[in-house]
Amino acid sequence: AQSVTQPDIHITVSEGASLELRCNYSYGATPYLFWYVQSPGQGLQLLLKYFSGDTLVQGIKGFEAEFKRSQSSFNLRKPSVHWSDAAEYFCAVGGNTGNQFYFGTGTSLTVIP
Amino acid sequence: GAVVSQHPSRVICKSGTSVKIECRSLDFQATTMFWYRQFPKQSLMLMATSNEGSKATYEQGVEKDKFLINHASLTLSTLTVTSAHPEDSSFYICSAPLQGRNTEAFFGQGTRLTVV
Repeated sequence: AQSVTQPDIHITVSEGASLELRCNYSYGATPYLFWYVQSPGQGLQLLLKYFSGDTLVQGIKGFEAEFKRSQSSFNLRKPSVHWSDAAEYFCAVGGNTGNQFYFGTGTSLTVIP
Repeated sequence: GAVVSQHPSRVICKSGTSVKIECRSLDFQATTMFWYRQFPKQSLMLMATSNEGSKATYEQGVEKDKFLINHASLTLSTLTVTSAHPEDSSFYICSAPLQGRNTEAFFGQGTRLTVV
């Protein structure tokens, strides 16, 4: 069965500190992996995606993620967090035939001064 | 880039009334659109797949008679919450993939529905 797990419900980091949000997936075919960010009351904004090729993908706002097939993981990282990064982050997996996305439960990020 | 527009962004309605939410692909055609529901502090759950020119496909546990989906054109899908109840209050989001690029989807801004 397809599923996405984000083990951390909530993370608090200091501004300027590094960040890593974890994501593990279970998918029966070649996974297409995504990270989305959602600000309060807003829709979803795509941060980055992995389809194939280089397993380290760069996204917007200074985010990157690394696909590790052996660990079924797609963790999101940022070297230096800004206060504006406070939001909800969702990892998602989709397939190459349909477009049904399976979302993780999300990680809420708080940034403290 | 491709844009999906969802309207309204917020709606408050009385119990027992119906509410229609629109999802439009502004600069591309979408034969398929997806409707998600998000409860507070929770993830997005797929409700149904909207297919242009045919019936929608509903996920298990989603009442098709309560959540009416119409995909009358290649750029518009509508979700109507019929006889709304307070427990229907939620955040509804649609998404649409680009034709020919079936691995990427774009999301609407979402609709916050409050039933009082």
